[in-house]
Amino acid sequence: SQTIHQWPATLVQPVGSPLSLECTVEGTSNPNLYWYRQAAGRGLQLLFYSVGIGQISSEVPQNLSASRPQDRQFILSSKKLLLSDSGFYLCAWSATTGFGYTFGSGTRLTVV
Amino acid sequence: GENVEQHPSTLSVQEGDSAVIKCTYSDSASNYFPWYKQELGKGPQLIIDIRSNVGEKKDQRIAVTLNKTAKHFSLHITETQPEDSAVYFCAASITGSARQLTFGSGTQLTVLP
Repeated sequence: SQTIHQWPATLVQPVGSPLSLECTVEGTSNPNLYWYRQAAGRGLQLLFYSVGIGQISSEVPQNLSASRPQDRQFILSSKKLLLSDSGFYLCAWSATTGFGYTFGSGTRLTVV
Repeated sequence: GENVEQHPSTLSVQEGDSAVIKCTYSDSASNYFPWYKQELGKGPQLIIDIRSNVGEKKDQRIAVTLNKTAKHFSLHITETQPEDSAVYFCAASITGSARQLTFGSGTQLTVLP
């Protein structure tokens, strides 16, 4: 069966520090991968998606970047965090031939 | 692009009553409509989904209906229980290789004991 791992679960970082969040998927190949942010309230904002290694599409301009160095690995990064980067970050995957997303457990990022 | 509107934003029901959450979408090309449940501090979990060639789907106490003509779909939860309390999201998928989902804004459901 397929599983998605996301870490760390919580993170407190000072303003101006770098960020690296990692997401890996097991039990499938060539998944579509996604990063979402959920700020205060409930909305899910799509940040990046990837349909293959090295292929990254950005949905909104921001202080963040994403990379996909391996088929089942998706990384969210920032060189210098801003206070506004605080939020709940969710990784998700979907099959290219299937429907629906499966979300990871999320990372609670607090920038102080 | 696709736009999904979800109502109500908050919903309180007595335990044992039914709850209905409604969503509308804008793009007639959308053909997949999942519903997610998100508990506090956790990632959203898929609870039921429906494709555009089906008008209704049921799974125990949960059902989803789809009206393609009116471009709206609804989640129905019967015999609600306190553990049903969570935030619920609807979503719509525009066909394409990335299978991007557009989410509604969420409904906070509270089941009162």
